Amino acid sequence: AQSVTQLDSHVSVSEGTPVLLRCNYSSSYSPSLFWYVQHPNKGLQLLLKYTSAATLVKGINGFEAEFKKSETSFHLTKPSAHMSDAAEYFCVVRQGQGGKLIFGQGTELSVKP
Amino acid sequence: EPEVTQTPSHQVTQMGQEVILRCVPISNHLYFYWYRQILGQKVEFLVSFYNNEISEKSEIFDDQFSVERPDGSNFTLKIRSTKLEDSAMYFCASSVRAGGELSGNTIYFGEGSWLTVV
Repeated sequence: AQSVTQLDSHVSVSEGTPVLLRCNYSSSYSPSLFWYVQHPNKGLQLLLKYTSAATLVKGINGFEAEFKKSETSFHLTKPSAHMSDAAEYFCVVRQGQGGKLIFGQGTELSVKP
Repeated sequence: EPEVTQTPSHQVTQMGQEVILRCVPISNHLYFYWYRQILGQKVEFLVSFYNNEISEKSEIFDDQFSVERPDGSNFTLKIRSTKLEDSAMYFCASSVRAGGELSGNTIYFGEGSWLTVV
């Protein structure tokens, strides 16, 4: 069965500095991986997705993630944090061929001025 | 941009009462889902629904839960007799297709319905 592990429950950065949110996955075959973001009192919004087309995936709001099979990782990065990036971020893997998603436990990102 | 809408945004109910959470999926989507997130825990899959029947459900989705698409636009989750442990944020989601490795399918989520059972 597939699973994801987010290595940090909370990350704090200063505005303008890089963001790194770490995620490792476990899958018996090439996975479909996603990052979703949840702002306070908002729904889950898709940031980006990996589906075997390219290992470096670009998403919305300047975020990107790199799929590294050798490290079973799918870390989320952004070169320069903005205050509006403060939110909860979820690494997600699709289970099987259907629509069932398996969520990581989430990483709360704080951005200091 | 089209979005999944959910009502109510927050509901407080007494233990043992029936609750119906409502969702309007994106109009051309064919697959519908419910997920939930208990405070402080992971988002968990409950059920998927296609062609007017359940296509997959988790262990959480026991006999007290049911889903229905009563008309062409709404998708509902009913909890027959609520328990304290049903208190959670419930997310509705929808997609055009169910997935497949290379389909690039995207699942769109609503803003959630907070259910508090007292």
